[in-house]
Amino acid sequence: QIQLQQSGPGLVKPSQTLSLTCAISGDSVSSTSAAWSWIRQSPSRGLEWLGRTYYRSKWYNDYAVSVESRITVNPDTSKNQFSLQLNSVTPEDTAVYYCARDPGQCLSCFDLWGRGTLVTVSS
Amino acid sequence: QSALTQPASVSGSPGQSITISCTGTSSDVGGYNSVSWYQQHPGTAPKLMIYEVSNRPSGVSNRFSGSKSGNTASLTISGLQAEDEADYFCISHRNDRRPYAFGTGTKVTVL
Repeated sequence: QIQLQQSGPGLVKPSQTLSLTCAISGDSVSSTSAAWSWIRQSPSRGLEWLGRTYYRSKWYNDYAVSVESRITVNPDTSKNQFSLQLNSVTPEDTAVYYCARDPGQCLSCFDLWGRGTLVTVSS
Repeated sequence: QSALTQPASVSGSPGQSITISCTGTSSDVGGYNSVSWYQQHPGTAPKLMIYEVSNRPSGVSNRFSGSKSGNTASLTISGLQAEDEADYFCISHRNDRRPYAFGTGTKVTVL
């Protein structure tokens, strides 16, 4: 069964780093067709794509303009997972964070989502 | 970058048909046959309902259909059922480096 399992803390202090991990079952982070994204959802900002990693003979990353100065999305091939690091967080980064798969067989769609992690930024 | 515009809410009675619009620009919705639609019940992850404008993934009811005209894509739910009450949002391809444009989301209420 293909699934994405998210893990990471639900509370982060302002100015610190938000770190989440998404473990992949039934597919490979090194897939040459899929791309692996982080997306967040909040009442104030709606749904927002943050960034992705994917492998096409080498590793690539793309990031949203709104967070590109403080985001890193990394693959971990030894554990078949990928991670999100968001630095210098503020209360505006409070949101439900999802990992998701773009399978590559459809243009810019997500066919598999993690369950979501509510991350609250507060002291 | 701007979000795609959806109506905040749409409602209908059981058995009726409703349509949700998703309006973008020629740089996203109008430029690619890539619009996908998602259903999200409260507290759950989104579920892919339509991809590439009008294609249904395996297992999705044929009561859900999609179309596009110019810069506006649409999701139609026919034979509305109580279980269709949820939030719906669209996504379109935008460009190669920042490829995903999200809709603002629509709450569907079954009266």
